[in-house]
Formats: sequence, structure tokens, C-alpha cells
Amino acid sequence: NAGVTQTPKFRVLKTGQSMTLLCAQDMNHEYMYWYRQDPGMGLRLIHYSVGEGTTAKGEVPDGYNVSRLKKQNFLLGLESAAPSQTSVYFCASATEGHEQYFGPGTRLTVT
Amino acid sequence: GEDVEQSLFLSVREGDSSVINCTYTDSSSTYLYWYKQEPGAGLQLLTYIFSNMDMKQDQRLTVLLNKKDKHLSLRIADTQTGDSAIYFCAACSGSARQLTFGSGTQLTVLP
Repeated sequence: NAGVTQTPKFRVLKTGQSMTLLCAQDMNHEYMYWYRQDPGMGLRLIHYSVGEGTTAKGEVPDGYNVSRLKKQNFLLGLESAAPSQTSVYFCASATEGHEQYFGPGTRLTVT
Repeated sequence: GEDVEQSLFLSVREGDSSVINCTYTDSSSTYLYWYKQEPGAGLQLLTYIFSNMDMKQDQRLTVLLNKKDKHLSLRIADTQTGDSAIYFCAACSGSARQLTFGSGTQLTVLP
């Protein structure tokens, strides 16, 4: 039981490049979330999903897209990366209960 | 929307008690959480409290909730050097259990 895993762990992009971050969970959780963490700030919700095939916008969705084609996977896409998207990205998943379990994070630098 | 605030820094001596405070604005928040983040790691759920409770104790951790003042605190008894980390307060609201995080309190435990 690996819990929540994220791929890749680190990435450096040039401005304008695209990439996809993968989040996978093996706990059969319905809810999945993408957050970003910037220095001196708490985590901010980008997008979330309440089940396979559903997605919704969080607090800071601009510049990102998501897909939840399979229950266990939640993908975060950056179509045209900008330096303002330099951040640490965390994925989380939860059941019908209220405990969110977090992945180890992806550190993204956009130059 | 919800706003969650915490003080940024706290230093204590090893063996003393630590108290980390948090305030939130949305009285409809159902659950309130404390997460711990060690350097370079993801978030670890420490404990949480349901909004109709005043106190919850879990080994060295005690959570106090004052609903009237929308104030939450985390007390760590017999603080150890391994407790040095950033502690995040988070409030849960919305049908998808979205979390709003504070900016985190850096706890430093001095020998």
C-alpha cells in the first residue's frame, strides 16, 4: 500500500513549455486534490475531483488543467508554464471521511 | 471565503509545552485540522477536531476549539527536538471537503 504517490519529484521547465504532473493513490479514495505551496504561504487549492470523470476549480485554477479519467489517478497539466508557477505541488486524496492524505510533493521550477 | 491565520514562529525549550494558535473566519467550517510538515516532506495529518467538540486529546497532543471566537490551538506536551517542523492549521468546508490552510507556524525546539 503505497498511499499517495507523485511523479516526477523534481522538474525544471522553460517558460512556455508544457508538462503533466501525475498523482496516483491506491486507497480507493473518491476525492482527490491538487494544491500548490509557495514560501511563507499555506497550501492553496488549485483543482479538485469528487469522483472519476469529475473535476472542479479551486482557489487558484488559472493556468492549470486537470483530468480524472481513472479513479486512482489525478493529472495536473500546465499548458504554457510561467515563472509564477514555480512552486511545490502537492496532491491529496480522501474518502467520504474528512482525512486528506498527502503525497510527497513535486518541486517545479520555471525559468 | 474562508481565511485562516497563524503566527509564523514559535521557539520552546526541549521538555516544555508548545502552544500553536490559529484563527479562522467561516463559522460553517465542519472540521479543523493540524498538519505537520518536516523539511522537504509532504504534510502529515496530526489530529483533527469536529466543530461540535471543544477539546480532543491524543497522546501528547491536545486540541482546543473555541467556536465563539473561532480560535483553535494545538498544545504539544513535553516537546522534543523531533517536533521541530512547520505546523499548519486547516479548516474544512464545502461539499467536497475543501481545505483552507493557514500560512504555517515554524516550531523550533531548543536543547
